[in-house]
Amino acid sequence: GIQVEQSPPDLILQEGANSTLRCNFSDSVNNLQWFHQNPWGQLINLFYIPSGTKQNGRLSATTVATERYSLLYISSSQTTDSGVYFCAVGRYNNNDMRFGAGTRLTVKP
Amino acid sequence: NAGVTQTPKFRVLKTGQSMTLLCAQDMNHEYMYWYRQDPGMGLRLIHYSVGEGTTAKGEVPDGYNVSRLKKQNFLLGLESAAPSQTSVYFCASSSLIAGASTDTQYFGPGTRLTVL
Repeated sequence: GIQVEQSPPDLILQEGANSTLRCNFSDSVNNLQWFHQNPWGQLINLFYIPSGTKQNGRLSATTVATERYSLLYISSSQTTDSGVYFCAVGRYNNNDMRFGAGTRLTVKP
Repeated sequence: NAGVTQTPKFRVLKTGQSMTLLCAQDMNHEYMYWYRQDPGMGLRLIHYSVGEGTTAKGEVPDGYNVSRLKKQNFLLGLESAAPSQTSVYFCASSSLIAGASTDTQYFGPGTRLTVL
């Protein structure tokens, strides 16, 4: 199956700082999604982005499919951004998705 | 509109016992999924369903069975629990758009299962 690597594994920021999370994958994909898991375990879909760039408030994501990586940008981080960010990819659709191990983000006040 | 709900939230089993986890969604979604999440890892797909009465194996299906008798419900069964099945289980659902299933997945709150 497709291998997914996320970096960095851990990230500690001061409130207000910006950050970039990276997701590398080993094969061509038609499905790439970013998720946030909050400290209470709830998973929220952030972006469906197999290619191109999307923005949603302080978050944006870019996927360069030809080079097999995706980036998640968090600007002006807030304590509520803390949690684990997962990248998940699939060759076809949601039925074959593979998750990375995640990036644990801690935003300190 | 409750979204995706899971029952129970916590459970402790002894090795060899059986149990069923219930997932319910009220968004009229076609697709439903069961994942497990182990410490320090991402989610792994156990089984999924593309519609009422259909199920299929995911990445790690061994030791689990599923059923989708009603569109809104997706059940995950453990026939003979093993300590290796200690995990947090998440259910998700997504809609079907234009024949593709690559739509946003909505997740339930999870079930924390411990097998002693």
